[in-house]
Amino acid sequence: EVQLVESGGDLVQPGGSLRLSCEVSGFTFSSYWMHWVRQAPGKGLVWVSRIGRDGSSTSYADSVRGRFTVSRDNAKNTLYLQMNSLRAEDTAVYYCVRDSGGRGFDPWGQGTLVTVSS
Amino acid sequence: DIVLTQSPGTLSLSPGERATLSCRASQSVLSIYLAWYQQRPGQAPRLLIYGASSRATGIPDRFSGSGFGTDFTLTISRLEPEDFAVYYCQQYGNSPSTFGQGTKLEIK
Repeated sequence: EVQLVESGGDLVQPGGSLRLSCEVSGFTFSSYWMHWVRQAPGKGLVWVSRIGRDGSSTSYADSVRGRFTVSRDNAKNTLYLQMNSLRAEDTAVYYCVRDSGGRGFDPWGQGTLVTVSS
Repeated sequence: DIVLTQSPGTLSLSPGERATLSCRASQSVLSIYLAWYQQRPGQAPRLLIYGASSRATGIPDRFSGSGFGTDFTLTISRLEPEDFAVYYCQQYGNSPSTFGQGTKLEIK
């Protein structure tokens, strides 16, 4: 069974840092691009970042570029999102998602909640 | 960035009825990179349709997608109680990938 399990969400003060993890199982992690997508409370889905199969290619939404860094450890089957200089508007559930190579984003993890507040 | 606009914002229907959800893009989207997702309360999104019209694994055939260019449609032929949820369209052919704002399908 394909599974993606996020962790690391927490309450953090503005300006703080947090690292999210997404541990995957049930598929060959190194064969897929991966994404982070977030959803603010009561709002819609917003793409945040993506990373290529070997980690050498990354891209970011304008709203997080320069503050967030996506990475992966294919030996550990784990995706990461390092989040620095956090702002209140970064408050959201963060989902890790597999890019199914033209067949959409599938599946999604259950999400981890990041709350930025003083 | 490609802006996706979904309509209506909220759709009120009864079980057994047909639902038609629209997604309009600000510029042409390659059909092979248009997807639809369902999100039930408290759950992660679930892929329903990819490539504008291909059902994802395990998705019932009452769900169908169509369209090309800038206009896409998700149709649910006969609503079941579990279909009342929020639906999002997404384009993933142009970077950044973008989502519509969602259509809430509620029980009338």
